[in-house]
Amino acid sequence: DQQVKQNSPSLSVQEGRISILNCDYTNSMFDYFLWYKKYPAEGPTFLISISSIKDKNEDGRFTVFLNKSAKHLSLHIVPSQPGDSAVYFCAASLTDSWGKFQFGAGTQVVVTP
Amino acid sequence: DAGVTQSPTHLIKTRGQQVTLRCSPKSGHDTVSWYQQALGQGPQFIFQYYEEEERQRGNFPDRFSGHQFPNYSSELNVNALLLGDSALYLCASSLGGRRWETQYFGPGTRLLVL
Repeated sequence: DQQVKQNSPSLSVQEGRISILNCDYTNSMFDYFLWYKKYPAEGPTFLISISSIKDKNEDGRFTVFLNKSAKHLSLHIVPSQPGDSAVYFCAASLTDSWGKFQFGAGTQVVVTP
Repeated sequence: DAGVTQSPTHLIKTRGQQVTLRCSPKSGHDTVSWYQQALGQGPQFIFQYYEEEERQRGNFPDRFSGHQFPNYSSELNVNALLLGDSALYLCASSLGGRRWETQYFGPGTRLLVL
């Protein structure tokens, strides 16, 4: 049962523009969410997180938005750079779940010149 | 500062065999989690070790077992390999005891079962 879904397998965006990645979840007990970036032949790298008590978190060019009522979160990258080309995973964990994250299938982002 | 390391990088086995994968956590980390990533999918949580005990487990059969050593390194063992066990196996380390700690991933071990 896939409880974290990334319905867009790929996204192409021009350098300098905004990238918006979406993630939906079905379990209302998820209370902590993360985004990871993965380059080929490397492990995922942590980008940004948000807890359910917030609806927005910013870190430089990266902003994560959480809409609990819609069970939806999104990652905004502004401006997009060529080095942002990677696979992006969203992940979620349940209350009292020690590091047991459930991941979406990922979105491949390609930033074009 | 060495990050998370995993060995071997690649492995080929045949059905029914057994395999052991190894992970050394990032310096200072005491918690190790293992994930399986099948092609085109996100990582799936197998289990987590903290203080040499399995603290959390995902929906994986008992063929998947693990161990954590006093130096915090960890092994993942898979018995009676199936074709469907072919995947990238990722190890992630973190500082245990606090739920919000970031997990740092290794590059993974790619296992192919023939």
